[in-house]
Amino acid sequence: DADVTQTPRNRITKTGKRIMLECSQTKGHDRMYWYRQDPGLGLRLIYYSFDVKDINKGEISDGYSVSRQAQAKFSLSLESAIPNQTALYFCATSDGIAQGSYNEQFFGPGTRLTVL
Amino acid sequence: DQQVKQNSPSLSVQEGRISILNCDYTNSMFDYFLWYKKYPAEGPTFLISISSIKDKNEDGRFTVFLNKSAKHLSLHIVPSQPGDSAVYFCAAQSNFGNEKLTFGTGTRLTIIP
Repeated sequence: DADVTQTPRNRITKTGKRIMLECSQTKGHDRMYWYRQDPGLGLRLIYYSFDVKDINKGEISDGYSVSRQAQAKFSLSLESAIPNQTALYFCATSDGIAQGSYNEQFFGPGTRLTVL
Repeated sequence: DQQVKQNSPSLSVQEGRISILNCDYTNSMFDYFLWYKKYPAEGPTFLISISSIKDKNEDGRFTVFLNKSAKHLSLHIVPSQPGDSAVYFCAAQSNFGNEKLTFGTGTRLTIIP
């Protein structure tokens, strides 16, 4: 079974609708992230959480909100979807890194969201 | 402002030859650089990393070189295999930024049999 799962895998919705993307992990990691990928722009960080009570904005948080329901669950919401939020969304997790080490992140398979 | 850039959107290489993927960055405070590989319909997976205090790290067919003075790193794959066909992302980490990763735009590598 996959360590990081995302639901749904594909979603088509209309402008103005509220959408929730869900992420679950079985890796036991404390840190969770939401990214979006757009052609020519790479992956950009939307929100991240270092534990259940810690939520932080990333570089492109406008129009999005998140909820960390448990250590294993991190949801991304689009309160009122707009067409330029059409993108591939990835959830990722990581362990707390040792001093002087790198932050390896483990990604889910992605959710392709289309806003019409 | 793109702090991590991959200027080649795509690259085609003959099977068995060397693939060289390039990445440039602007922030001299980055502490680690990571390469991720992404297949279609899958999430990115970690490939190899290099500390900013090193100039080379090797793992099997994959070697990453870092030139701090030029703010440039490259990933070498030797020999290239068909399974290496994927999108490769360069990412940079600053330990002063909650260890967040800043990703480049990606390079699509196609290995020609």
